[in-house]
Amino acid sequence: DGGITQSPKYLFRKEGQNVTLSCEQNLNHDAMYWYRQDPGQGLRLIYYSQIVNDFQKGDIAEGYSVSREKKESFPLTVTSAQKNPTAFYLCASRIVAGGMNTEAFFGQGTRLTVV
Amino acid sequence: GENVEQHPSTLSVQEGDSAVIKCTYSDSASNYFPWYKQELGKGPQLIIDIRSNVGEKKDQRIAVTLNKTAKHFSLHITETQPEDSAVYFCAASWTGGTSYGKLTFGQGTILTVHP
Repeated sequence: DGGITQSPKYLFRKEGQNVTLSCEQNLNHDAMYWYRQDPGQGLRLIYYSQIVNDFQKGDIAEGYSVSREKKESFPLTVTSAQKNPTAFYLCASRIVAGGMNTEAFFGQGTRLTVV
Repeated sequence: GENVEQHPSTLSVQEGDSAVIKCTYSDSASNYFPWYKQELGKGPQLIIDIRSNVGEKKDQRIAVTLNKTAKHFSLHITETQPEDSAVYFCAASWTGGTSYGKLTFGQGTILTVHP
């Protein structure tokens, strides 16, 4: 089945530690996105990538890092510099190549809690 | 960059009534406007989208209207049912310039349909 998979579903992190969230898609989509969701604040864009080996900062990139070494994978690292990392993180992918604007497909999310 | 404002933040209706959610966007270059529905603990799913060359689109009980001059678009749900209860998000995107492929979301609307 084609889709986008996030893992793990739940993640606990101690203060001061880095942690990496996984996002994999087998939809052959060129663009991938990471969003953070907090109650009452909607989906805020952290980073996005239109093609392999390239990515752009979103609106709240501070304290986060990403890589895009493969088309299928777009891992997000939450660093110790992120002051309030407890949130629900969503990964998405879609086709944007050639000026296309298409539906974004979302993973089921990772709920990160700092303990 | 693009800014999307969504209203209202919460909406409560009786079963069978209509529900309307409105969004405004700031970048006149945006040309794609999707609407997503998110159920508790899950990733958002597309329910309807509209492109800038169309003023209105309908799919059964759901419709979206777009006013490019005023830079706003709206979601209309008729004959609401309890299973329509969820969080709804609007978004805007365009495939050009330095923000190529960026997908910006509104703050979300919690819709509750009372039986």
